[in-house]
Amino acid sequence: GESVGLHLPTLSVQEGDNSIINCAYSNSASDYFIWYKQESGKGPQFIIDIRSNMDKRQGQRVTVLLNKTVKHLSLQIAATQPGDSAVYFCAEEKYNNNDMRFGAGTRLTVKP
Amino acid sequence: NAGVTQTPKFQVLKTGQSMTLQCAQDMNHNSMYWYRQDPGMGLRLIYYSASEGTTDKGEVPNGYNVSRLNKREFSLRLESAAPSQTSVYFCASSIYHAQGGYTFGSGTRLTVV
Repeated sequence: GESVGLHLPTLSVQEGDNSIINCAYSNSASDYFIWYKQESGKGPQFIIDIRSNMDKRQGQRVTVLLNKTVKHLSLQIAATQPGDSAVYFCAEEKYNNNDMRFGAGTRLTVKP
Repeated sequence: NAGVTQTPKFQVLKTGQSMTLQCAQDMNHNSMYWYRQDPGMGLRLIYYSASEGTTDKGEVPNGYNVSRLNKREFSLRLESAAPSQTSVYFCASSIYHAQGGYTFGSGTRLTVV
């Protein structure tokens, strides 16, 4: 899950397993949520987004789940591959505010 | 497709020196952003430009200034660098208000000694 501080939460999975990365967001008024992937030495890369009028959205090998009641967001990665190893950030925004806020990130390590 | 281009990639400054970080996007995006990323932390918004001709402060604007030179370019200036500004700086852009997410540059690693 997400936390603030110097030490990122970490998740280690075996290649081929499914991964679930969690995020607790802070603003109950947020209505747009995004997951980003950041590989070492690179900028964050958009993975998938979801609006608050949905509770689930699927992409290619990824699914985002939104639970507004408990302000919780999760990213599921199916059949995790070594190339999925990265830091994953959730981000939240109140639409039209231009003020996207990022969580601290979770480091995913995929073991071969 | 270049996307978002940031220069320089690395920079070392002495305390009190000034410099400008450059950012350009070729996707015809309207909104542009500057973030900083510190170890173990998420990205924090410094300044943003919702559209050409406008700029606004983000979460951590102190010590920085920005210029939206035209639709493509958005620069970040440090007038008098401090060690607390040692960080990785990312520029990003979006078509409108983060629809489809932001496209980020590859970052500028700045060290102030």
